[in-house]
Amino acid sequence: AQSVTQLDSQVPVFEEAPVELRCNYSSSVSVYLFWYVQYPNQGLQLLLKYLSGSTLVKGINGFEAEFNKSQTSFHLRKPSVHISDTAEYFCAVRGAQKLVFGQGTRLTINP
Amino acid sequence: GAGVSQSPSNKVTEKGKDVELRCDPISGHTALYWYRQSLGQGLEFLIYFQGNSAPDKSGLPSDRFSAERTGGSVSTLTIQRTQQEDSAVYLCASSLNGDTEAFFGQGTRLTVV
Repeated sequence: AQSVTQLDSQVPVFEEAPVELRCNYSSSVSVYLFWYVQYPNQGLQLLLKYLSGSTLVKGINGFEAEFNKSQTSFHLRKPSVHISDTAEYFCAVRGAQKLVFGQGTRLTINP
Repeated sequence: GAGVSQSPSNKVTEKGKDVELRCDPISGHTALYWYRQSLGQGLEFLIYFQGNSAPDKSGLPSDRFSAERTGGSVSTLTIQRTQQEDSAVYLCASSLNGDTEAFFGQGTRLTVV
């Protein structure tokens, strides 16, 4: 069975600073990896995905993530955050069967 | 349809009553998921349907919870004898074939009083 660990429950950063949200997974089979974002009082939407190919994937709103198979990680990064990036971010892994989510990381941007 | 549709958007029920939550997935999507999101918590997996295969029910928290998917399309999540701890947002998602990204509905906010 697969599992996902998001190492930080909350990450506060200043506006225009870089940010990294960490995600580690475990799975006995090849995986597909996803990051979703949930803005306040909204539904979940896909930020980016890794299915195969290049290990560096780019998503919407300037976010990117790198798949590292040896470290079983899929960390999310943005070089300069905006107030509008304030949201909950969820990492998810699809292994042999169901899609499993981490506990989420709340990103708070301070002016 | 254009997206995943869930109904009702809000449901308030008395403790001990049964409730049914409905999910209309994106047309043509063979995979369908139900999750539960409690206040300040992550997404708790409940059940997964893929085509005609037997559903993965491993996340259902008790035998009060059940779900079905009729005709490979619409799904209903039923909670019997609701308890206050069942209060949460119930999210449905569908995926083209289970290997691609899942698209989420807006959820049903269930409040048990």
